[in-house]
Amino acid sequence: DSGVTQTPKHLITATGQRVTLRCSPRSGDLSVYWYQQSLDQGLQFLIQYYNGEERAKGNILERFSAQQFPDLHSELNLSSLELGDSALYFCASSVVPAGRSDTQYFGPGTRLTVL
Amino acid sequence: GDSVTQMEGPVTLSEEAFLTINCTYTATGYPSLFWYVQYPGEGLQLLLKATKADDKGSNKGFEATYRKETTSFHLEKGSVQVSDSAVYFCALSDSGGQNFVFGPGTRLSVLP
Repeated sequence: DSGVTQTPKHLITATGQRVTLRCSPRSGDLSVYWYQQSLDQGLQFLIQYYNGEERAKGNILERFSAQQFPDLHSELNLSSLELGDSALYFCASSVVPAGRSDTQYFGPGTRLTVL
Repeated sequence: GDSVTQMEGPVTLSEEAFLTINCTYTATGYPSLFWYVQYPGEGLQLLLKATKADDKGSNKGFEATYRKETTSFHLEKGSVQVSDSAVYFCALSDSGGQNFVFGPGTRLSVLP
């Protein structure tokens, strides 16, 4: 158990809908990262927050957005969903803002299925 | 941009066999390098890491050495066990700590 929690574990929805994925980092970690894992794209870094502020952005679509709240939990919002958005979404956390050698601790993931 | 290339497998070995999973990277500056492991139905776990050239990361019998001259970070284990069956990801964090790139993953199956 990494200490990172994600809800829900599974999510099934339809095209065009909007969903919110939630992540609670390990106690004491200030940095949160979101990743998408799909069969064809592999593991893609989406976005990183540190202490409530966006710090780094990867391959995140404009239909996707995220935020980190004062209690440090984070939410990833996916809108206008397409079939291709079906994937595993992982959250990870670390103590500092992505220090070069800092370890990221991954949650168990949310499996999103878009029908 | 930065990238990580690793053998995609699947790799199938017998118990107690020697394991090598190759990983090479392309990056500017001096990235940190990582190996993560993903067991079935779980998230990724850090296996080992190295932050500068010639550093050797090691954990649970696995080792990898940061080779800047060959831009490589190959994962090795002298004697694999059935419990090592998982997907292994090579990854880098760029020198600014703002870009994280994972390789495609290598699925390892160890047979008794």
